[in-house]
Amino acid sequence: GNSVTQMEGPVTLSEEAFLTINCTYTATGYPSLFWYVQYPGEGLQLLLKATKADDKGSNKGFEATYRKETTSFHLEKGSVQVSDSAVYFCALSISRYNFNKFYFGSGTKLNVKP
Amino acid sequence: NAGVTQTPKFRVLKTGQSMTLLCAQDMNHEYMYWYRQDPGMGLRLIHYSVGEGTTAKGEVPDGYNVSRLKKQNFLLGLESAAPSQTSVYFCASSLGLAGGKSSYNEQFFGPGTRLTVL
Repeated sequence: GNSVTQMEGPVTLSEEAFLTINCTYTATGYPSLFWYVQYPGEGLQLLLKATKADDKGSNKGFEATYRKETTSFHLEKGSVQVSDSAVYFCALSISRYNFNKFYFGSGTKLNVKP
Repeated sequence: NAGVTQTPKFRVLKTGQSMTLLCAQDMNHEYMYWYRQDPGMGLRLIHYSVGEGTTAKGEVPDGYNVSRLKKQNFLLGLESAAPSQTSVYFCASSLGLAGGKSSYNEQFFGPGTRLTVL
């Protein structure tokens, strides 16, 4: 089946620390991979995506590389800011019968302290 | 361009009451989705639609009904609300096949509706 597993939170870091949020997946077929971010009281926003193996998605200093050999899509940022505090969701999308179904991880809450 | 909007933002219901959540998108997207978000469980798909006049069940459809009479609107109905339906509900939309390989297409989310059933 298809599923996404991401590290449990919360993750608490000091400003300017290095961030890694682990994400692994299982999929039948060739998924596209996404990271979404949810700020308090808001809906999910796309942070970055990768559509094939070895692709690197990047946005706002965040990066993630589609690793088919390890079925992973870990999110990284070199220096976090207080404004990065949010919940991060890893997701995969599979096309099936002309429909792209999304599978979301359970989310990882990030708290960044000044 | 408002993107995806949802009404209402908050609602409190008593057990057994009914209500309809409205989702609207102005991006001419083919696909629309309703999710619920519960603590520690991520997002679970309730129902979805691949075009005007079509709907289909997702992972957790029981207790909900949907309609897509117009391409831009996707309604979620609760006929007889139960406390187990207390949740945050998110609507989303995506391009669908018209945007190329559908798996590449991101979903755009609304701001959510926080529903409490007493």
